Amino acid sequence: GNSVTQMEGPVTLSEEAFLTINCTYTATGYPSLFWYVQYPGEGLQLLLKATKADDKGSNKGFEATYRKETTSFHLEKGSVQVSDSAVYFCALRGSQGNLIFGKGTKLSVKP
Amino acid sequence: KAGVTQTPRYLIKTRGQQVTLSCSPISGHRSVSWYQQTPGQGLQFLFEYFSETQRNKGNFPGRFSGRQFSNSRSEMNVSTLELGDSALYLCASSLGQGSPNYGYTFGSGTRLTVV
Repeated sequence: GNSVTQMEGPVTLSEEAFLTINCTYTATGYPSLFWYVQYPGEGLQLLLKATKADDKGSNKGFEATYRKETTSFHLEKGSVQVSDSAVYFCALRGSQGNLIFGKGTKLSVKP
Repeated sequence: KAGVTQTPRYLIKTRGQQVTLSCSPISGHRSVSWYQQTPGQGLQFLFEYFSETQRNKGNFPGRFSGRQFSNSRSEMNVSTLELGDSALYLCASSLGQGSPNYGYTFGSGTRLTVV
């Protein structure tokens, strides 16, 4: 069945450090892939998405490239800020249309 | 435009009771999905409604049910509450059901605590 595996956290970085959060998936075909972010006490916000292989999604300095060869969709940011502290979820759209999420990775950025 | 509105934000219920949660999607969105978020299980899909019909259902017991009204607003109901039902319940709305190019917009959720 479809599944998403993302690196376990928490991840603690200093401000302006480089961020990578690994995400790999198992799926039939080539599903749309997403990164969502959840700030404390809030719901999920779509950060970026990619709908086909080799697509690069980007938003607010974050990027992720849909790699079908490695079934991966790693999230990267060149210089994190304290305000990026949140929980990040990788997800794929299943064949029925629902989202299938990874367990989430908590990011803490220290000044 | 207004986002996805979930009410109430917080609820405390006793074991055995039932609860109804409400979700108003973005204007024009016809699809509403519900997800349960717990520390142990993460985010799990409950069900999706489109044009007042349940189109997809996750692996939850029959105590969990939902419905959608003609104005696309949706409610979910949990009967005979158990302690393990304590969770953040998230609603997501979308323009259409299942299309790969349609995105989901989530509400802030309803935090349910069962005591």
